[in-house]
Amino acid sequence: SQTIHQWPATLVQPVGSPLSLECTVEGTSNPNLYWYRQAAGRGLQLLFYSVGIGQISSEVPQNLSASRPQDRQFILSSKKLLLSDSGFYLCAWSVRLGRGVRELFFGEGSRLTVL
Amino acid sequence: QQQVKQSPQSLIVQKGGISIINCAYENTAFDYFPWYQQFPGKGPALLIAIRPDVSEKKEGRFTISFNKSAKQFSLHIMDSQPGDSATYFCAASRRTDKLIFGTGTRLQVFP
Repeated sequence: SQTIHQWPATLVQPVGSPLSLECTVEGTSNPNLYWYRQAAGRGLQLLFYSVGIGQISSEVPQNLSASRPQDRQFILSSKKLLLSDSGFYLCAWSVRLGRGVRELFFGEGSRLTVL
Repeated sequence: QQQVKQSPQSLIVQKGGISIINCAYENTAFDYFPWYQQFPGKGPALLIAIRPDVSEKKEGRFTISFNKSAKQFSLHIMDSQPGDSATYFCAASRRTDKLIFGTGTRLQVFP
């Protein structure tokens, strides 16, 4: 069965420090991978998605970047964190269902607090 | 046009009651409408989904009602239980996997 691992689960970082959140998927190959951010009252905001190694699409201009060095690994990074980067970050992967529909499977999330 | 508007932001229901969450969209090209359920500290998980070729889909106590002409869809939770207390997100997509999510509804079911 497929599983998704995300770490660290909790992170407290000072403003201006770097960030690296990692996500790996097991049990599937060539998944579509996603990074979402969840802020209170703002739902799930898609930050990045990737359809393959080295292929990254950014949905929202911001202080963050993403990389996909391996087929089942997705990394969210920042060189210098801002207070506004605080939030709950969710990695997800998708599988194609019938008629072109894809279902998203989310990881457990990483809660980032920038002080 | 890419937005999905969700209401209410929070909902308090007594055990056994009906919980109703509404969503509206603008993009008529959307053709997939899922609902996700998220418990505190966890990632969201797919609860139920509907395509626009049907007006209603039921799975156990959970029902999606879909009104294509009004561009609205809603989630009904019958006989709500304390274990249903969670945040619910509606979403929509256009035959791609870039789901557009609503802002979420925090449901609390009290015994």
